[in-house]
Amino acid sequence: QKEVEQNSGPLSVPEGAIASLNCTYSDRGSQSFFWYRQYSGKSPELIMSIYSNGDKEDGRFTAQLNKASQYVSLLIRDSQPSDSATYLCAVTSGANSKLTFGKGITLSVRP
Amino acid sequence: GAVVSQHPSRVICKSGTSVKIECRSLDFQATTMFWYRQFPKKSLMLMATSNEGSKATYEQGVEKDKFLINHASLTLSTLTVTSAHPEDSSFYICSALLVLGDEQFFGPGTRLTVL
Repeated sequence: QKEVEQNSGPLSVPEGAIASLNCTYSDRGSQSFFWYRQYSGKSPELIMSIYSNGDKEDGRFTAQLNKASQYVSLLIRDSQPSDSATYLCAVTSGANSKLTFGKGITLSVRP
Repeated sequence: GAVVSQHPSRVICKSGTSVKIECRSLDFQATTMFWYRQFPKKSLMLMATSNEGSKATYEQGVEKDKFLINHASLTLSTLTVTSAHPEDSSFYICSALLVLGDEQFFGPGTRLTVL
């Protein structure tokens, strides 16, 4: 059974702080790793994808992947109230590109 | 970025009727699309994988005769909820696979309410 685990949250940070979101996965053969943001009542929006060990930066977002530890994280710098949402970690394994999602963590950025 | 649309965004229907939901990839061709449903405050649940030109692959526990999927072109997949019942009320979301990068882009979702 492929599993993706995220801290249950919720996570609350002050505006301007760094939010750190963590995720572990069980399938060592996992190949592609994603972070989605989902606002309440909306569909998920892809914000980061990462495929190889190390860091990947895009604006205020940095994804980190460590395949040896089966760990992927998302850092949000200079957090804004508009970043308040549920963040979903997702992983694909094998050729069918099916996503296995974590349960998500709700981030609240306090003004 | 890749854009996926869904129509309708919201539908209310009577029990026993059928509802068709369309999912379109607007700026790329998608040989594979996925259909999910999501109940309030719950995780996304994959219902089926829709492959252009072939039959959909359904997840365990999803009735293929109730949730009909057609993927007739590289930019359009449809989900038809047949003989809808109140327990089918949910948020239905499609995604389209961008093969380069293995990324799925989600449509805005369709909120179905069955009375």
